[in-house]
Amino acid sequence: EDQVTQSPEALRLQEGESSSLNCSYTVSGLRGLFWYRQDPGKGPEFLFTLYSAGEEKEKERLKATLTKKESFLHITAPKPEDSATYLCAVQGSGSARQLTFGSGTQLTVLP
Amino acid sequence: GAVVSQHPSWVICKSGTSVKIECRSLDFQATTMFWYRQFPKQSLMLMATSNEGSKATYEQGVEKDKFLINHASLTLSTLTVTSAHPEDSSFYICSARAAGGETQYFGPGTRLLVL
Repeated sequence: EDQVTQSPEALRLQEGESSSLNCSYTVSGLRGLFWYRQDPGKGPEFLFTLYSAGEEKEKERLKATLTKKESFLHITAPKPEDSATYLCAVQGSGSARQLTFGSGTQLTVLP
Repeated sequence: GAVVSQHPSWVICKSGTSVKIECRSLDFQATTMFWYRQFPKQSLMLMATSNEGSKATYEQGVEKDKFLINHASLTLSTLTVTSAHPEDSSFYICSARAAGGETQYFGPGTRLLVL
């Protein structure tokens, strides 16, 4: 059974204070690891897909990295508008190709 | 690109009535659509997977006769909550995936309140 664990559950940062969110996973045949951002009362917004260990992707202040056991979402010099819940999900090689989500990290960036 | 819409965004209904939620992929063809439910401060719970032109596959514990899913075209899936009760009140979110793709793109969600 695929499993995803995200840490920390909540993170408060001062504006400009860089940090990282962790996503540890176990999956049978990784087809993809996904990062989403979710604002309160809205659906998840797609950020990145990573397919293999060593892969990195960047978008503005965010950078996602992947190893065989975990992924990190690095946030550089965050701004208050980066405040949201960040969700990590994996897709295994099962026939259903469904996503298994972690419980998310709620990020608050204080001005 | 990869925009998914849901309608309505909010619905309030009386207990015992049925509610239909639409999910549309606006700029791509979605061979597979997913329906999720999310409770406050919890992550997404997959309810069912639907492939265009086929019957939906429901997750364990999800009543298929209560949550009717139709995926009649490559851009539209509907979820009908039949005989809704207060315990069905929740945030329902759909997602869509294109043929050959791996990424699911999510709609904005529908908040259902059953009185």
